[in-house]
Formats: sequence, C-alpha cells, structure tokens
Amino acid sequence: AQSVTQLDSHVSVSEGTPVLLRCNYSSSYSPSLFWYVQHPNKGLQLLLKYTSAATLVKGINGFEAEFKKSETSFHLTKPSAHMSDAAEYFCVGRGSQGNLIFGKGTKLSVKP
Amino acid sequence: KAGVTQTPRYLIKTRGQQVTLSCSPISGHRSVSWYQQTPGQGLQFLFEYFSETQRNKGNFPGRFSGRQFSNSRSEMNVSTLELGDSALYLCASRTSGSIGTGELFFGEGSRLTVL
Repeated sequence: AQSVTQLDSHVSVSEGTPVLLRCNYSSSYSPSLFWYVQHPNKGLQLLLKYTSAATLVKGINGFEAEFKKSETSFHLTKPSAHMSDAAEYFCVGRGSQGNLIFGKGTKLSVKP
Repeated sequence: KAGVTQTPRYLIKTRGQQVTLSCSPISGHRSVSWYQQTPGQGLQFLFEYFSETQRNKGNFPGRFSGRQFSNSRSEMNVSTLELGDSALYLCASRTSGSIGTGELFFGEGSRLTVL
C-alpha cells in the first residue's frame, strides 16, 4: 500500500516569497498523488494531481508540484506566496483499496 | 451546480448517545466517501459507498456505519458515542471514475463534539 509523509507540520513564509511544502511517498507501484488544501472551517479542495502523464504538474492558484521518482518526492511549490494561501495542505496518495491516504498536513502561515 | 452538502454542520452529543450525519453529493456523482478528521490522527478514511453498496471500509470499529440511498445521498451513524469520536466528519463525492484519477469533491464537514 502507498503511504505519504509530509516533512513539515508548519511552514511560515513572508508574502511574496516562495513556498515549498515537502512530501515523500512510498509505493510498490506507480503512484497516484494529489495535493489538497483546506482553509479554516472549510472542506478540502483539490490543488493538483499526478497520474504519470507529466512529472511537473500545474495546479490552481499558481501552485505546482514535481514528481521525482528517484527521490520519491512530490513537493508543492509556489513562486510567490499570497496572504490567501494561508491554509493547511495535505499530500495524498492512494491506498491498496483505492481509498485516499492523507498525510498529516502542513499548516502554511503567510506573514505580511 | 450545487456542491457537496453536509448536515448538520455542528452538533453536540453526550457519551453513549448515537448520531446520524447526512451527505448529499454533487448531482450525478454516485460515489460517496466519509473521512474523520482529528488533530491527533489527521484525516482517516471511514468508508466509501457506490450505488448503494459499501465498496471500501477503513479501520474503524463497528459503531461506525453508513448507508447510501438510491438518490446517492448518504448517511453515517455512530452509536454509543465516546469522547474520542469528537471530530470533523467530512463527506466527499466523485463520479464513477477510478479513484486513481478522479477528483474528490468535499463538503464543509459536520463538526461533532462529544461531552
């Protein structure tokens, strides 16, 4: 079964600076990987997904992630943080039963 | 198009009681999944229903159950509530496509507090 590990529970950046949220995965087969975002008191929204079509995946709101098989990583990046990016971000993989397996989440704070 | 709707949004129960949560998926979506979100355990998969049949089940005790109706609406029930059941319960729906590629659409959740 696949598992995902988010390396940072909390990341703080200044507005206008780059964002890097780290995720490593383990899988015995070609993985399906996703990034979801959850704003306070809201449900989760899909940012982007990797399904082996391209290693660099572009998502909504300027986010992108690169699948690196050699490093078993799927880090989420954004060139310039905005105050509205403050939220919790989840790296997600697919379990052996087809269900989604969520990482523990990374809370992103954006300072003005 | 209306999103995933969960009711109630907030509820408070006492230990030993039971609770039923409701989820209306996006029109045309036949799969409904339930997740429990807590600060300690994060997001954990409860179960998934497709065309009124439970397709997958997570590692939760039998006190947690669910069902899906012919109109794809789903309910989950927790009996004999424990303090540790306090959580945000999220429902998600998707089309009948493979979960490997299909996007899950989440509701805003039902926040259950057990006193």
